[in-house]
This record gives sequence, C-alpha cells and structure tokens, in this order.
Amino acid sequence: DSGVTQTPKHLITATGQRVTLRCSPRSGDLSVYWYQQSLDQGLQFLIQYYNGEERAKGNILERFSAQQFPDLHSELNLSSLELGDSALYFCASSQGGQPGGELFFGEGSRLTVL
Amino acid sequence: ILNVEQSPQSLHVQEGDSTNFTCSFPSSNFYALHWYRWETAKSPEALFVMTLNGDEKKKGRISATLNTKEGYSYLYIKGSQPEDSATYLCASGGGSQGNLIFGKGTKLSVKP
Repeated sequence: DSGVTQTPKHLITATGQRVTLRCSPRSGDLSVYWYQQSLDQGLQFLIQYYNGEERAKGNILERFSAQQFPDLHSELNLSSLELGDSALYFCASSQGGQPGGELFFGEGSRLTVL
Repeated sequence: ILNVEQSPQSLHVQEGDSTNFTCSFPSSNFYALHWYRWETAKSPEALFVMTLNGDEKKKGRISATLNTKEGYSYLYIKGSQPEDSATYLCASGGGSQGNLIFGKGTKLSVKP
C-alpha cells in the first residue's frame, strides 16, 4: 500500500460530460502529480502541485484543470469529455517540491468515455 | 523534450531464466533515473532511484546499472519467478530537466 488514495477507481461517462477525480497523498507528502496513461502510451505528465500551489505543467489540455486544497488532497477536473480522454489517470505524491524524487502512486482512476 | 525509450516492449521467459531490459534517455543535463514495477490492477512501485554515473543498485534478485554519459540503464532479474510478472517502467528527469518523463515500459511475463 503506497498510502496514496484515488477515487473513483472506475468511471464510465458520455462525451461532453464533466468528471472529477480525487487524490489523497501519502501522509507528509506536499507534492501531488497527475499522470495520464492512454493505450500504447507511457505515463504522460499532466500537472504538479506543491503545498497548494501549481508547480509545473505538462501536457494538460485546456479542458482539464486541477487544484490542491489546504488539506493537500487534489482534484483533477476533466470537462467536455471526448472519446480520446478515456485513459487511466494516476495520482502520485512526493515529499518535496523539486522534481526527480521518488514518486508514490495511487492505484489509478480508469475513465471510460462512451 | 525528453524522450525515454525502453526495450523490449514485452518479454516472455520461463521460470528460472535470468533476463534484462534497457532504458535509454537523453544524457545532457541528467539528474535522476527511476525504475518502477507495475503489477496489473496495482499502483506502480519504485524499485530504484539512481543519480550517479556507474551506480549499481540491488534489491533481492533485481539489480540495475546506470551509464549517464551514454544515456542508458539496464534492469536485471536473476532467476525470474512468476511473481516477477509485471510492467517495468523507467523514467528520467528532475532538476533542470523538469518532471519525470516515463518510457512506455517493458511487460514481463514469467511462465511457471
């Protein structure tokens, strides 16, 4: 058990809809990262938050947004969903804010857009 | 943009075989190289975080080496067991390179 909790584990929705994925980091970790795993792709970095502030941005679409709350949990909001957004979304946490440290992953949220 | 490549894409071995896979990464501005083990329906779990050229790390039957000058790392599994079946991910980045960039992974299947 990594200590990182993601909900929901599975989500099926329709095109055009909006969903929210939730992540609770490991106790004591201040950084939260979001990654997207699509078919035949490696883990694609979306965004990092550190202690409530956006720290780094990757290949995150404008239709997607995220935030980290004072209790350090994070939410990833995906809107105007398209078929191509179907993927496994991972949250990971680390203690510090600098990239390169060991990541602790949740089990992922599998999103299916029909 | 960092490009991390892993080979082979998949590997099927018999129980007891030893095996190895490769991760190649850009060597300029190198900061760190990570190996993660990802079992189906579970979360990826860190095996090694390596930062020094020539570094070798070992955890049980699994070991890894790092060559930062030529931009590659090898992961070795000695005497593979069915429970070693998983996807092995490598990632490079950190420091001035920014966040970790992951390869597509090597999927290992070990048959009893």
